[in-house]
Amino acid sequence: DAKTTQPPSMDCAEGRAANLPCNHSTISGNEYVYWYRQIHSQGPQYIIHGLKNNETNEMASLIITEDRKSSTLILPHATLRDTAVYYCIVRVDGNKLVFGAGTILRVKS
Amino acid sequence: EPEVTQTPSHQVTQMGQEVILRCVPISNHLYFYWYRQILGQKVEFLVSFYNNEISEKSEIFDDQFSVERPDGSNFTLKIRSTKLEDSAMYFCASSDVLLGRDDEQFFGPGTRLTVL
Repeated sequence: DAKTTQPPSMDCAEGRAANLPCNHSTISGNEYVYWYRQIHSQGPQYIIHGLKNNETNEMASLIITEDRKSSTLILPHATLRDTAVYYCIVRVDGNKLVFGAGTILRVKS
Repeated sequence: EPEVTQTPSHQVTQMGQEVILRCVPISNHLYFYWYRQILGQKVEFLVSFYNNEISEKSEIFDDQFSVERPDGSNFTLKIRSTKLEDSAMYFCASSDVLLGRDDEQFFGPGTRLTVL
């Protein structure tokens, strides 16, 4: 299973872009990169996913490097409500999600 | 917007008792999952369910655990004889395709299980 490495925590000023990095150097060609977040003790929430192309939706952008060994989740204008744990997940065997420790993002006013 | 619902939000039980956690997945979804999160720890996969049978389960999902889809809308997790270490948040999730085929899992708000 491809594993991911994320920084344990990051701070971001409100209104600024939050750039959350993720390393997945052992990713294989057909594995997707997924991002989820968990606000306090709520259920994880899907943000975005991609295979090799950059992706954008109403919540965020996902930039995947050409060699696919790393990616960056971008929240373009972070708000206090974006304070959460952000998980970068590479699809594993079968259909389960394997969560790591994630990055605690603290958005500060 | 459709959502996964779970009941109860908090369940307190005595060690050794049976508990049933209930989930109502999104109505047109076909794949169902249970995850748990012990306080301060990672979210852990327990089991996935499709076509009325378990498709995958983790080492945590031992003989004390079972899942069932008793009707067309509910999906339940039963813990036969609870232990102190079963205290955790239990999350139900559903999806309409297999992960990795370009889709997402939708999670419920969770049930906090406290075993005394």
